Amino acid sequence: AQTVTQSQPEMSVQEAETVTLSCTYDTSESDYYLFWYKQPPSRQMILVIRQEAYKQQNATENRFSVNFQKAAKSFSLKISDSQLGDAAMYFCASSSGGATNKLIFGTGTLLAVQP
Amino acid sequence: NAGVMQNPRHLVRRRGQEARLRCSPMKGHSHVYWYRQLPEEGLKFMVYLQKENIIDESGMPKERFSAEFPKEGPSILRIQQVVRGDSAAYFCASSPLGVGEQFFGPGTRLTVL
Repeated sequence: AQTVTQSQPEMSVQEAETVTLSCTYDTSESDYYLFWYKQPPSRQMILVIRQEAYKQQNATENRFSVNFQKAAKSFSLKISDSQLGDAAMYFCASSSGGATNKLIFGTGTLLAVQP
Repeated sequence: NAGVMQNPRHLVRRRGQEARLRCSPMKGHSHVYWYRQLPEEGLKFMVYLQKENIIDESGMPKERFSAEFPKEGPSILRIQQVVRGDSAAYFCASSPLGVGEQFFGPGTRLTVL
């Protein structure tokens, strides 16, 4: 079965500093996607960044970037120049591929940003 | 282009009543997914539907829960005879192709008294 593991229940970062959130996954699929979603107190799920497994180049979206290590099945999120608005729960997710493409989520990392 | 719409945003039911949650996918999207988020947990897949078809319901409880996505109108997640353990946030997501990114609605928070 496909699994996603986030080993950091909570993290804290100073405003303007950099923080890295960890995620590991396990899948038998050869073609899949990986995602980081942000869930602020409003509970809306907001896509932060996505990575296609067949692409070797790490995805980047402004201050957000990933370190995708396919062999190690690791997919960490780096947030640079952290802002107060980055405070939220962050979920790592993988798509199951195949005919369903359902998302498998980790348990989340609650990020606090200190002013 | 409006995003994924869900209603109601909040729903309160007493034990034994029925809950109906609605989801209108983004325009042009024919793939709908339902997820449940229990308090203090991540999202768990429930069911995947395309127009008029259930493709994967492996995450759906065997009893009391059903889902549909008719040719016309929103997708409906129906929970019969609700119990307190059904209290959760229910999210709908849609995608245009059934692969890659899914776009999430704001969720429906169900509270069972």
